[in-house]
Amino acid sequence: NAGVTQTPKFQVLKTGQSMTLQCAQDMNHEYMSWYRQDPGMGLRLIHYSVGAGITDQGEVPNGYNVSRSTTEDFPLRLLSAAPSQTSVYFCASSSLAGPETQYFGPGTRLLVL
Amino acid sequence: RKEVEQDPGPFNVPEGATVAFNCTYSNSASQSFFWYRQDCRKEPKLLMSVYSSGNEDGRFTAQLNRASQYISLLIRDSKLSDSATYLCVVNGNTGFQKLVFGTGTRLLVSP
Repeated sequence: NAGVTQTPKFQVLKTGQSMTLQCAQDMNHEYMSWYRQDPGMGLRLIHYSVGAGITDQGEVPNGYNVSRSTTEDFPLRLLSAAPSQTSVYFCASSSLAGPETQYFGPGTRLLVL
Repeated sequence: RKEVEQDPGPFNVPEGATVAFNCTYSNSASQSFFWYRQDCRKEPKLLMSVYSSGNEDGRFTAQLNRASQYISLLIRDSKLSDSATYLCVVNGNTGFQKLVFGTGTRLLVSP
């Protein structure tokens, strides 16, 4: 049971480049979300999904897109990377039946030059 | 004012000490409260939920004070392995799943 997996672990981008951060979970969880973690800011919600085909914006959605075509996968797309998007990105999932426990992936460290 | 506020620390304590962290929240409508633990450069993991009646799990005790809008975490008999950052987490007022994370309190336990 892999839980929540994220790829890549590390990424360096140039300003203006686009990329997709991958997230997958094998627990059949309905709820998935993306957070970014910056020093002194705590984790902030970017986008979330309560099921396949349903997504919504979180606290800091600008510059990011998501889609949820399957229960397992929830990719995060950076459309045109900016230095302000340098951060650590965590994907999380939980069951709607027991939402108090969110399971986080190991994170993706992104540096935008 | 931040929605969830924590003292960033670090709290430096010797093994075997008792240490307590507080966390304040601004949204009086919040219903669910949690403590997560995050090791250096790792993902957060749920440590425990915080119930109105309090919650104890081994050496860890969590309390909720709704009147003063704060939650606390008490760690007894600290171990070296308790060294980590402890995140206070509160649900947002727009739904259970919109959790709001504090910036965390760092704990360092020394021999």
